[in-house]
Amino acid sequence: KNEVEQSPQNLTAQEGEFITINCSYSVGISALHWLQQHPGGGIVSLFMLSSGKKKHGRLIATINIQEKHSSLHITASHPRDSAVYICAVSRGSQGNLIFGKGTKLSVKP
Amino acid sequence: EAGVTQSPTHLIKTRGQQATLRCSPISGHTSVYWYQQALGLGLQFLLWYDEGEERNRGNFPPRFSGRQFPNYSSELNVNALELEDSALYLCASGTSGRNEQFFGPGTRLTVL
Repeated sequence: KNEVEQSPQNLTAQEGEFITINCSYSVGISALHWLQQHPGGGIVSLFMLSSGKKKHGRLIATINIQEKHSSLHITASHPRDSAVYICAVSRGSQGNLIFGKGTKLSVKP
Repeated sequence: EAGVTQSPTHLIKTRGQQATLRCSPISGHTSVYWYQQALGLGLQFLLWYDEGEERNRGNFPPRFSGRQFPNYSSELNVNALELEDSALYLCASGTSGRNEQFFGPGTRLTVL
């Protein structure tokens, strides 16, 4: 079983829809990251969370430490949101990130 | 402020050759992380360098190696290339003890 699990694997939405991507993890973490990867390959960090909720524009990320679960929400989705969204966790002294397999989001106009 | 840079953008090699990939971290960052993203697979951790030392290593064979220079830039070397080494290699930089990592644009390695 992977240490970081994401769902769904693929998601197709119509423009304007509310989108939720889920992430569960099974290890102790120091932080959880939501990353965005566009087809060119570059990765952008959207959020880093250790508790609670963060909001940036139309994006909202939440984390429940007790349940080891995080969600990424996109409100009023737009075709430019089409990308792969990756959940990753930091484990403190280990340094490296551990990644989920990603959610491929396609938003249709 | 300049971001993480990687070179080359693309690299084509044949099986058995050696590949060298380079990464320059954000100014002030002392840690460099290397990750592999093979086609259809998720990101996998390769190596972590901090202050010139290898701090952690992922589950990859010894032919994957690297080093970090005094200016904190880093090289990833892949010896005896195999077809399955074809992947996007991403470098990230950060500061030891802090969780945030900033990614470079990647080097796409193709092994023929």
